[in-house]
Amino acid sequence: AQRVTQPEKLLSVFKGAPVELKCNYSYSGSPELFWYVQYSRQRLQLLLRHISRESIKGFTADLNKGETSFHLKKPFAQEEDSAMYYCALSLSGAGSYQLTFGKGTKLSVIP
Amino acid sequence: DAGVTQSPTHLIKTRGQQVTLRCSPKSGHDTVSWYQQALGQGPQFIFQYYEEEERQRGNFPDRFSGHQFPNYSSELNVNALLLGDSALYLCASSDWGLWASGGSNTGELFFGEGSRLTVL
Repeated sequence: AQRVTQPEKLLSVFKGAPVELKCNYSYSGSPELFWYVQYSRQRLQLLLRHISRESIKGFTADLNKGETSFHLKKPFAQEEDSAMYYCALSLSGAGSYQLTFGKGTKLSVIP
Repeated sequence: DAGVTQSPTHLIKTRGQQVTLRCSPKSGHDTVSWYQQALGQGPQFIFQYYEEEERQRGNFPDRFSGHQFPNYSSELNVNALLLGDSALYLCASSDWGLWASGGSNTGELFFGEGSRLTVL
């Protein structure tokens, strides 16, 4: 069965410092990977997906199939980046919306 | 567009009771998925409804059932509640049906704010 691991429950960084939120997955096929974000008092929303190869709010994530990782990165953290971040995996080739989520990492950006 | 709306926002039940949660999808969406999020955990997929049928199901017992109406809204029913059913229940809508019928889709799930169920 597929699994998503986010090893850090909490990550604190200073404003302007680089950020890397780790995500590893286990799945034998070719999954589609996502990052979802939940800001305080807001609903869960899509941040980015690997197939679109976009940079959203300065965040990027590269799918590394060899290391089965999809780490989220941003070169300079901003206070408004403080939120809960979830990595998620969708089964391949089906436009499937059956997502498997990790437990999430809470990012706290210190002013 | 109000996006995905869910009701009720909070409710308290006792063990053995039954509960019904409701969801209206984002305008233009035809598919509804339900997720359970326990405290400190990520959302866990329950099932997905399209064209009033359950299309995919996660690892949840038959006590969890659902329904989708012709207007695409959906209900989640949980029977014989257990203490462990206490969680935030999230509804998410998408245009998955567009992919299923051979069209393209945005590939994005839109979530509601959730219904927080407490079982005593």
